Amino acid sequence: SSEVTQDPAVSVALGQTVRITCQGDSLRIYYASWYQQKPGQAPVLVIQGKNNRPSGIPERFSGSRSGNTASLTITGAQAEDEADYYCNSRDSSDNHLVFGGGTKLTVL
Amino acid sequence: QLQLQESGPGLVKPSETLSLTCTVSGGSISSSGYYWGWIRQPPGKGLEWIGSIYYSGSTFYNPSLKSRVTISVDTSKNLFSLKLSSVTAADTAVYYCARHPILVDTDAFDIWGHGTMVTVSS
Repeated sequence: SSEVTQDPAVSVALGQTVRITCQGDSLRIYYASWYQQKPGQAPVLVIQGKNNRPSGIPERFSGSRSGNTASLTITGAQAEDEADYYCNSRDSSDNHLVFGGGTKLTVL
Repeated sequence: QLQLQESGPGLVKPSETLSLTCTVSGGSISSSGYYWGWIRQPPGKGLEWIGSIYYSGSTFYNPSLKSRVTISVDTSKNLFSLKLSSVTAADTAVYYCARHPILVDTDAFDIWGHGTMVTVSS
Protein backbone atom coordinates (compact mmCIF):
# COMPACT_ATOMS: atom_id res chain seq x y z
CA SER A 1 0.00 0.00 0.00
CA SER A 2 1.04 3.58 -0.50
CA GLU A 3 2.60 5.60 2.30
CA VAL A 4 3.49 9.21 2.90
CA THR A 5 6.79 10.04 4.58
CA GLN A 6 8.01 13.06 6.52
CA ASP A 7 11.35 14.14 7.92
CA PRO A 8 11.35 13.44 11.67
CA ALA A 9 12.61 16.86 12.72
CA VAL A 10 13.16 20.34 11.32
CA SER A 11 14.36 23.54 12.97
CA VAL A 12 13.95 27.19 12.06
CA ALA A 13 15.19 30.46 13.49
CA LEU A 14 12.54 32.74 14.89
CA GLY A 15 11.04 34.88 12.12
CA GLN A 16 12.50 32.82 9.30
CA THR A 17 10.72 30.63 6.76
CA VAL A 18 10.54 26.86 7.06
CA ARG A 19 9.22 24.19 4.73
CA ILE A 20 7.97 20.86 6.02
CA THR A 21 7.58 18.17 3.38
CA CYS A 22 5.54 15.04 2.83
CA GLN A 23 6.39 12.55 0.07
CA GLY A 24 4.34 9.79 -1.48
CA ASP A 25 3.05 8.52 -4.80
CA SER A 26 -0.54 9.30 -3.83
CA LEU A 27 0.35 12.98 -3.61
CA ARG A 28 0.60 13.08 -7.40
CA ILE A 29 -3.17 12.58 -7.40
CA TYR A 30 -4.44 13.84 -4.04
CA TYR A 31 -3.54 16.98 -2.15
CA ALA A 32 -2.21 16.56 1.35
CA SER A 33 -3.80 18.15 4.37
CA TRP A 34 -1.71 19.34 7.31
CA TYR A 35 -2.17 19.31 11.06
CA GLN A 36 -0.42 20.98 13.96
CA GLN A 37 -0.27 19.14 17.26
CA LYS A 38 1.08 20.58 20.49
CA PRO A 39 1.87 18.38 23.51
CA GLY A 40 -1.20 17.00 25.22
CA GLN A 41 -3.57 18.49 22.65
CA ALA A 42 -5.60 17.18 19.75
CA PRO A 43 -4.35 17.91 16.25
CA VAL A 44 -5.55 21.07 14.56
CA LEU A 45 -6.09 21.31 10.81
CA VAL A 46 -3.92 24.11 9.41
CA ILE A 47 -4.07 23.44 5.66
CA GLN A 48 -6.78 21.53 3.79
CA GLY A 49 -6.12 20.37 0.28
CA LYS A 50 -4.49 22.57 -2.34
CA ASN A 51 -3.95 25.56 -0.05
CA ASN A 52 -7.03 26.23 2.06
CA ARG A 53 -6.60 27.65 5.53
CA PRO A 54 -9.43 27.01 7.97
CA SER A 55 -10.81 29.99 9.81
CA GLY A 56 -8.47 31.18 12.54
CA ILE A 57 -5.28 29.79 11.02
CA PRO A 58 -2.68 32.54 10.47
CA GLU A 59 -1.77 33.57 6.95
CA ARG A 60 1.85 32.55 7.53
CA PHE A 61 0.79 28.93 6.96
CA SER A 62 0.54 27.85 3.33
CA GLY A 63 0.51 24.62 1.34
CA SER A 64 1.86 23.59 -2.05
CA ARG A 65 2.66 20.53 -4.12
CA SER A 66 5.29 19.54 -6.66
CA GLY A 67 5.23 16.08 -8.16
CA ASN A 68 5.00 13.56 -5.33
CA THR A 69 5.92 16.06 -2.62
CA ALA A 70 3.54 18.22 -0.62
CA SER A 71 4.89 21.08 1.44
CA LEU A 72 3.71 23.11 4.38
CA THR A 73 5.46 26.48 4.52
CA ILE A 74 5.51 28.73 7.54
CA THR A 75 6.63 32.22 6.53
CA GLY A 76 7.99 34.06 9.53
CA ALA A 77 7.88 31.27 12.10
CA GLN A 78 6.77 32.23 15.59
CA ALA A 79 7.62 30.62 18.90
CA GLU A 80 4.06 29.31 19.16
CA ASP A 81 4.53 27.37 15.92
CA GLU A 82 6.81 24.90 17.70
CA ALA A 83 4.85 21.66 17.47
CA ASP A 84 4.52 18.35 15.67
CA TYR A 85 3.17 18.57 12.14
CA TYR A 86 1.43 15.74 10.31
CA CYS A 87 0.34 15.37 6.72
CA ASN A 88 -2.38 13.06 5.51
CA SER A 89 -3.58 11.87 2.16
CA ARG A 90 -5.61 9.17 0.50
CA ASP A 91 -3.90 6.03 -0.71
CA SER A 92 -4.28 5.93 -4.46
CA SER A 93 -4.66 2.17 -4.73
CA ASP A 94 -7.21 1.00 -2.24
CA ASN A 95 -9.14 3.98 -0.98
CA HIS A 96 -7.86 4.34 2.53
CA LEU A 97 -6.33 7.24 4.38
CA VAL A 98 -2.75 7.57 5.53
CA PHE A 99 -0.87 9.90 7.85
CA GLY A 100 2.78 10.76 7.64
CA GLY A 101 4.96 9.93 10.62
CA GLY A 102 5.09 13.55 11.72
CA THR A 103 7.73 16.28 11.79
CA LYS A 104 8.84 17.90 15.03
CA LEU A 105 9.39 21.60 14.40
CA THR A 106 11.74 23.46 16.71
CA VAL A 107 11.79 27.25 16.62
CA LEU A 108 15.20 28.50 17.72
CA GLN B 1 -20.19 25.46 17.14
CA LEU B 2 -19.78 21.79 16.32
CA GLN B 3 -18.11 19.75 19.04
CA LEU B 4 -17.14 16.11 19.31
CA GLN B 5 -16.66 14.23 22.56
CA GLU B 6 -15.22 10.75 22.97
CA SER B 7 -16.33 8.52 25.81
CA GLY B 8 -15.70 4.98 26.97
CA PRO B 9 -13.60 2.84 29.29
CA GLY B 10 -10.03 3.93 29.85
CA LEU B 11 -8.84 0.41 30.59
CA VAL B 12 -9.50 -2.72 28.53
CA LYS B 13 -8.16 -6.23 29.14
CA PRO B 14 -6.13 -8.02 26.46
CA SER B 15 -8.21 -10.09 24.03
CA GLU B 16 -11.36 -8.11 24.89
CA THR B 17 -13.20 -5.55 22.77
CA LEU B 18 -12.53 -1.82 23.01
CA SER B 19 -15.72 0.23 22.68
CA LEU B 20 -15.84 4.00 22.32
CA THR B 21 -18.53 6.50 21.46
CA CYS B 22 -18.25 9.92 19.88
CA THR B 23 -21.13 12.28 20.63
CA VAL B 24 -21.64 15.16 18.21
CA SER B 25 -23.13 18.40 19.53
CA GLY B 26 -23.86 21.74 17.92
CA GLY B 27 -24.75 20.12 14.60
CA SER B 28 -26.28 17.06 13.00
CA ILE B 29 -24.36 13.90 12.25
CA SER B 30 -26.82 13.45 9.37
CA SER B 31 -25.51 16.48 7.50
CA SER B 32 -24.63 15.52 3.96
CA GLY B 33 -21.07 16.02 2.85
CA TYR B 34 -19.30 14.64 5.88
CA TYR B 35 -17.84 11.38 7.02
CA TRP B 36 -17.08 10.85 10.69
CA GLY B 37 -13.81 9.22 11.57
CA TRP B 38 -11.68 7.60 14.23
CA ILE B 39 -7.95 8.20 14.54
CA ARG B 40 -5.58 6.91 17.21
CA GLN B 41 -2.16 7.86 18.53
CA PRO B 42 -0.02 5.48 20.63
CA PRO B 43 2.00 7.22 23.35
CA GLY B 44 4.90 9.12 21.82
CA LYS B 45 4.01 8.03 18.29
CA GLY B 46 2.20 9.33 15.25
CA LEU B 47 -1.40 9.38 14.08
CA GLU B 48 -3.12 6.35 12.57
CA TRP B 49 -6.46 6.51 10.77
CA ILE B 50 -8.80 3.71 11.90
CA GLY B 51 -11.87 4.23 9.75
CA SER B 52 -14.71 6.53 8.76
CA ILE B 53 -18.49 6.31 8.45
CA TYR B 54 -21.23 8.23 6.63
CA TYR B 55 -24.55 8.84 8.34
CA SER B 56 -26.13 6.29 6.01
CA GLY B 57 -23.86 3.64 7.53
CA SER B 58 -21.38 3.39 4.68
CA THR B 59 -17.90 2.71 6.05
CA PHE B 60 -14.30 2.39 5.01
CA TYR B 61 -11.51 1.10 7.17
CA ASN B 62 -7.76 0.98 7.48
CA PRO B 63 -6.82 -2.33 5.84
CA SER B 64 -4.39 -3.12 8.66
CA LEU B 65 -7.22 -3.00 11.22
CA LYS B 66 -10.21 -3.95 9.09
CA SER B 67 -10.57 -7.48 10.44
CA ARG B 68 -10.99 -6.18 14.00
CA VAL B 69 -12.85 -2.87 13.52
CA THR B 70 -16.51 -2.02 13.41
CA ILE B 71 -17.73 1.58 13.18
CA SER B 72 -21.44 2.28 13.49
CA VAL B 73 -23.68 5.33 13.62
CA ASP B 74 -26.82 6.19 15.59
CA THR B 75 -28.43 9.21 13.95
CA SER B 76 -31.22 9.35 16.54
CA LYS B 77 -28.62 9.97 19.26
CA ASN B 78 -26.26 11.97 17.05
CA LEU B 79 -23.30 9.74 17.76
CA PHE B 80 -21.04 7.20 16.16
CA SER B 81 -19.13 4.36 17.75
CA LEU B 82 -15.96 2.31 17.45
CA LYS B 83 -15.46 -1.31 18.37
CA LEU B 84 -12.00 -2.87 18.15
CA SER B 85 -11.86 -6.56 18.98
CA SER B 86 -9.08 -8.82 20.28
CA VAL B 87 -7.04 -5.93 21.63
CA THR B 88 -3.41 -6.17 22.68
CA ALA B 89 -1.00 -3.77 24.31
CA ALA B 90 -0.26 -2.41 20.83
CA ASP B 91 -3.76 -0.92 20.80
CA THR B 92 -2.96 1.31 23.76
CA ALA B 93 -3.40 4.84 22.46
CA VAL B 94 -5.26 8.09 22.60
CA TYR B 95 -8.34 7.65 20.43
CA TYR B 96 -9.76 10.68 18.63
CA CYS B 97 -12.97 11.13 16.74
CA ALA B 98 -13.12 13.75 14.03
CA ARG B 99 -15.29 15.17 11.27
CA HIS B 100 -14.14 14.25 7.80
CA PRO B 101 -15.52 16.43 4.94
CA ILE B 102 -16.11 14.66 1.66
CA LEU B 103 -13.86 16.40 -0.85
CA VAL B 104 -12.87 15.54 -4.40
CA ASP B 105 -9.12 15.86 -4.32
CA THR B 106 -8.12 15.68 -0.69
CA ASP B 107 -9.05 14.30 2.70
CA ALA B 108 -9.01 16.26 5.92
CA PHE B 109 -10.23 16.03 9.47
CA ASP B 110 -11.42 19.51 10.25
CA ILE B 111 -12.94 19.19 13.72
CA TRP B 112 -11.52 16.89 16.38
CA GLY B 113 -12.57 15.69 19.77
CA HIS B 114 -10.18 16.12 22.67
CA GLY B 115 -9.26 12.44 22.60
CA THR B 116 -9.55 9.68 25.16
CA MET B 117 -6.73 7.51 26.44
CA VAL B 118 -7.32 3.78 26.30
CA THR B 119 -4.88 1.42 27.98
CA VAL B 120 -4.87 -2.30 27.25
CA SER B 121 -3.67 -4.14 30.32
CA SER B 122 -4.71 -6.98 32.57
